[in-house]
Amino acid sequence: GENVEQHPSTLSVQEGDSAVIKCTYSDSASNYFPWYKQELGKRPQLIIDIRSNVGEKKDQRIAVTLNKTAKHFSLHITETQPEDSAVYFCAAKVGNTGKLIFGQGTTLQVKP
Amino acid sequence: NAGVTQTPKFRVLKTGQSMTLLCAQDMNHEYMYWYRQDPGMGLRLIHYSVGEGTTAKGEVPDGYNVSRLKKQNFLLGLESAAPSQTSVYFCASSYSRLQGNQPQHFGDGTRLSIL
Repeated sequence: GENVEQHPSTLSVQEGDSAVIKCTYSDSASNYFPWYKQELGKRPQLIIDIRSNVGEKKDQRIAVTLNKTAKHFSLHITETQPEDSAVYFCAAKVGNTGKLIFGQGTTLQVKP
Repeated sequence: NAGVTQTPKFRVLKTGQSMTLLCAQDMNHEYMYWYRQDPGMGLRLIHYSVGEGTTAKGEVPDGYNVSRLKKQNFLLGLESAAPSQTSVYFCASSYSRLQGNQPQHFGDGTRLSIL
């Protein structure tokens, strides 16, 4: 069935360093890939998304890249800050009902 | 504009009890979803709805039922709660595919413990 694999499961970086989280998906028809940030005890919140007609998208310190041939997409956070510490989820849309399949999550810790 | 509102926020049940979780959205979204979140397993789709009066099964539907009698509301029911259903439940909603690919907006979640 459809599947999204996310790596690493935990990531610890020093403040100011960059962080990269990678996901692969199985459904070649997927054409929409959102990333969510979830702080402890809070709801998942969309931080950036990318559609299959582009290869890269940036929003200030965060960027997402997409390689449709390899069925692989990544989140890049530059100049990390302690407030970036959270769990990050990637997702891929499957079918035409808006359904998302989520990765297992990456716990990012930014050390001051 | 409250977005997606879930009630209750917390609940403790005994095995075998039943309950209904309510999700309400005020964004005029067509699509609504129920997920459960367990440690290390991300968000797994239980059931979803593409419009008033319609429902469909997701990845982990067993033990749950849903109803979408009104466009703005999506109810998740547990007929006979089991300890394996202890989890955090999130509701989400989005515009339909007619508006292109749109993100899902999540509620604050319901923490459910089954003893």
